[in-house]
Amino acid sequence: EDQVTQSPEALRLQEGESSSLNCSYTVSGLRGLFWYRQDPGKGPEFLFTLYSAGEEKEKERLKATLTKKESFLHITAPKPEDSATYLCAVQSDYKLSFGAGTTVTVRA
Amino acid sequence: DTGVSQNPRHKITKRGQNVTFRCDPISEHNRLYWYRQTLGQGPEFLTYFQNEAQLEKSRLLSDRFSAERPKGSFSTLEIQRTEQGDSAMYLCASRPRGTQHTEAFFGQGTRLTVV
Repeated sequence: EDQVTQSPEALRLQEGESSSLNCSYTVSGLRGLFWYRQDPGKGPEFLFTLYSAGEEKEKERLKATLTKKESFLHITAPKPEDSATYLCAVQSDYKLSFGAGTTVTVRA
Repeated sequence: DTGVSQNPRHKITKRGQNVTFRCDPISEHNRLYWYRQTLGQGPEFLTYFQNEAQLEKSRLLSDRFSAERPKGSFSTLEIQRTEQGDSAMYLCASRPRGTQHTEAFFGQGTRLTVV
C-alpha cells in the first residue's frame, strides 16, 4: 500500500524567511507526485505534478523537486498569503494517496 | 463556474439519520473520486468511478456508505444510519479522460456534523 509522510507537521515562518517542506513516499511504481494547497474549510487546490526523479516545477514563490524517495516544496521569501496547509499525494494506480499535510503560517 | 461543485456545503444531522451528498464534476471529466478528510489529516480515498462504473471502493468504507453515478455525470454519496465518527469533510474530485496521472480537481467539500 502506498505511504506518504510529510514533515514537519507545522511550520511558522516570518515573512521573507525561506524554508522547505518534505514529503517522503513509498509506492510501487510512481505514476505521479502531486502537491496541493488547502485553505481552511476549502477543498485542495492543485499546485504541481512531478513524474520522474530530477524533475522540478516552479510557480511564483513555490518550487517543487522530486527524488526517488522524496519530494520537497521550497517556499522562497514567503508572504502571509502563502499561509495554508500543503498536501502531498502519490499515485501508483488510479487513486491519489495523501499525506497528512504541513500547515504553514507566515507572520507579517 | 466550471469547477467541481458539491452540495450542500454544510450538513448537520442527528445520529441515526441518513444523509446524501451530491457532486457535479467538471464537464466531460469521466473519472470521479470521493474522499473523506478529518481534522489534521489528509484526504482519505473512499471510492472511484470511471463513467458510470464504480471501479473501486475502499476497505474502510462500511456497508452504510453507498455511492452512485448514474449516466456518468453527477454522483451522490449516501450515508445511512449516521454515527458521530462519520463527522468529516467529504470531498469530491474529478479528472479528465486520457492518461491516468493528470491532476485531480477538487470541489469545496461537504462538511458533515453528526450530533
